[in-house]
Amino acid sequence: GAVVSQHPSRVICKSGTSVKIECRSLDFQATTMFWYRQFPKQSLMLMATSNEGSKATYEQGVEKDKFLINHASLTLSTLTVTSAHPEDSSFYICSAIRTSGGNQETQYFGPGTRLLVL
Amino acid sequence: AQKITQTQPGMFVQEKEAVTLDCTYDTSDPSYGLFWYKQPSSGEMIFLIYQGSYDQQNATEGRYSLNFQKARKSANLVISASQLGDSAMYFCAMREAIYGGATNKLIFGTGTLLAVQP
Repeated sequence: GAVVSQHPSRVICKSGTSVKIECRSLDFQATTMFWYRQFPKQSLMLMATSNEGSKATYEQGVEKDKFLINHASLTLSTLTVTSAHPEDSSFYICSAIRTSGGNQETQYFGPGTRLLVL
Repeated sequence: AQKITQTQPGMFVQEKEAVTLDCTYDTSDPSYGLFWYKQPSSGEMIFLIYQGSYDQQNATEGRYSLNFQKARKSANLVISASQLGDSAMYFCAMREAIYGGATNKLIFGTGTLLAVQP
């Protein structure tokens, strides 16, 4: 089956530093990937849509200069949390769209990255 | 307005019994897709089942079935013969299609925490 990986799985950083999270589709190409954020005991909130070869589309209220997204290849999207602060501590999940025969689209999620900013 | 509503924050079920997790949705698009995901404590999002708005039959995948009632805008997940490993958070999600092009964005409900008791 389709597999999406994320790296790192956990990261602790100091306030003010930047953190990069990678999302890879391992056995399929994905022109579209998504980045979600999930606070404890809450639902997933879409942050942005990452499009290969073009700028990401951010959801309302998400600061594009703070959450930099780069989708440089068909199998890799990165999310960089710049100048992270404690309120950025969260569970970040990516997903990738796999298109199969008949234009069937399925969204596969990565295992998530737990970010803790101290 | 809430697009996806899961009214049950938590549910208990006895092992080997069936359980229904409720989900209602709101959309004006005639073409949409409904998804159920399972999120165990590890955090990964596991795809369970999909129902398209034009599908004539209710979707089934092993022990999972989707009770799709289009007129009521409900898409309840039924898990038969519950197992201890089914204990997890369950999210209902919807993807809307826009005329002239489909959007892949998923909108998630708030989730239902299912606890299977031995």
